[in-house]
Amino acid sequence: DAKTTQPPSMDCAEGRAANLPCNHSTISGNEYVYWYRQIHSQGPQYIIHGLKNNETNEMASLIITEDRKSSTLILPHATLRDTAVYYCIVRHNAGNMLTFGGGTRLMVKP
Amino acid sequence: NAGVTQTPKFRILKIGQSMTLQCTQDMNHNYMYWYRQDPGMGLKLIYYSVGAGITDKGEVPNGYNVSRSTTEDFPLRLELAAPSQTSVYFCASSSTVTGGHEQYFGPGTRLTVT
Repeated sequence: DAKTTQPPSMDCAEGRAANLPCNHSTISGNEYVYWYRQIHSQGPQYIIHGLKNNETNEMASLIITEDRKSSTLILPHATLRDTAVYYCIVRHNAGNMLTFGGGTRLMVKP
Repeated sequence: NAGVTQTPKFRILKIGQSMTLQCTQDMNHNYMYWYRQDPGMGLKLIYYSVGAGITDKGEVPNGYNVSRSTTEDFPLRLELAAPSQTSVYFCASSSTVTGGHEQYFGPGTRLTVT
């Protein structure tokens, strides 16, 4: 699976959009981009995934660049409860393992 | 649905003791996984199972054993506990039937070996 690069930490004001970037320049054509988050001491939580089209669900939006070498997770109106470590993971959809890197620690501030 | 449940929540073991971490899911998922997470680090895959009776090693399997006799249960066994196994253990499950392969995680077991 392709390796990902994320900034170690970011801050966001409550109520504003949080834009979390992820670099995956070695991604191959059949690899998906997945996002998970881990709120302190809890198990990771699935957020969203996509292949090449932009995706949106009730939690977030995923924007993937046309060359698929990077993506951005958008939390449209961040709340204090969105403070967590966010992991960007690239993997084959037929695969069954998630490789977690360091992630981005997002701090939402009042 | 309860989702993925794990027991115990906390455990302290002495070096050389053994224990089994329990994991159960009620979503009829065919895939199940065990991860460990050391302080300040990402998760590492220990073992996984693609269905009852089938298990395979992940990234860090040494010192652990698993079995999968039913779809619902995937216990993790530590035979001779060592301080290096002090960690938080997460169980997860996913389905290849519904697609997406998103994994659902349990709340974790915090294990200390002294």
